[in-house]
Amino acid sequence: QKEVEQNSGPLSVPEGAIASLNCTYSDRGSQSFFWYRQYSGKSPELIMSIYSNGDKEDGRFTAQLNKASQYVSLLIRDSQPSDSATYLCAASSTGGGNKLTFGTGTQLKVEL
Amino acid sequence: GAVVSQHPSWVICKSGTSVKIECRSLDFQATTMFWYRQFPKQSLMLMATSNEGSKATYEQGVEKDKFLINHASLTLSTLTVTSAHPEDSSFYICSAGRGANNEQFFGPGTRLTVL
Repeated sequence: QKEVEQNSGPLSVPEGAIASLNCTYSDRGSQSFFWYRQYSGKSPELIMSIYSNGDKEDGRFTAQLNKASQYVSLLIRDSQPSDSATYLCAASSTGGGNKLTFGTGTQLKVEL
Repeated sequence: GAVVSQHPSWVICKSGTSVKIECRSLDFQATTMFWYRQFPKQSLMLMATSNEGSKATYEQGVEKDKFLINHASLTLSTLTVTSAHPEDSSFYICSAGRGANNEQFFGPGTRLTVL
């Protein structure tokens, strides 16, 4: 069974610090990886996509992918209280009909 | 770009009635749309995959006769909850896939309450 695993948290970081969110996946056929942010009571919002090994940066966000270790991470620099949300890691493979397999999410709390 | 809308944003209905939820991709064409359900403090649960012009593919345990999905065009998919009961009360969210990597963009969701 294809699985994506995340630590549920909560992960607490002080304002201005770097938040590091981690995710592992079991399906070696996974080719596309996504990070979504979900505020309480709202739908998920896509914040990063990554498809090849290495780092991908977009503003304060950096996604990292290591296919050999089946590991994906998201770094949030200069964390702000508005970053407090649940972060969902997702993976998809072409053999899976482009369905996303989601992790259960990591709750991030950025404290003043 | 990549905006997905849903309508209605919330609905309250009586037990036994049917409710239709619309999902539209506003600025791109989506060959594939997905329907999810989320209960409070739980993960997203994929209900079905909707492909334009063909029958939807339902996940195991999801009743296709209860949750009717129609994907009539590249920008519109609808979910109809038939004969709704209180246990169907949930947050229903659609997503639309874009591009070769099928990035999924989510609609704002529809909160259904069945009395």
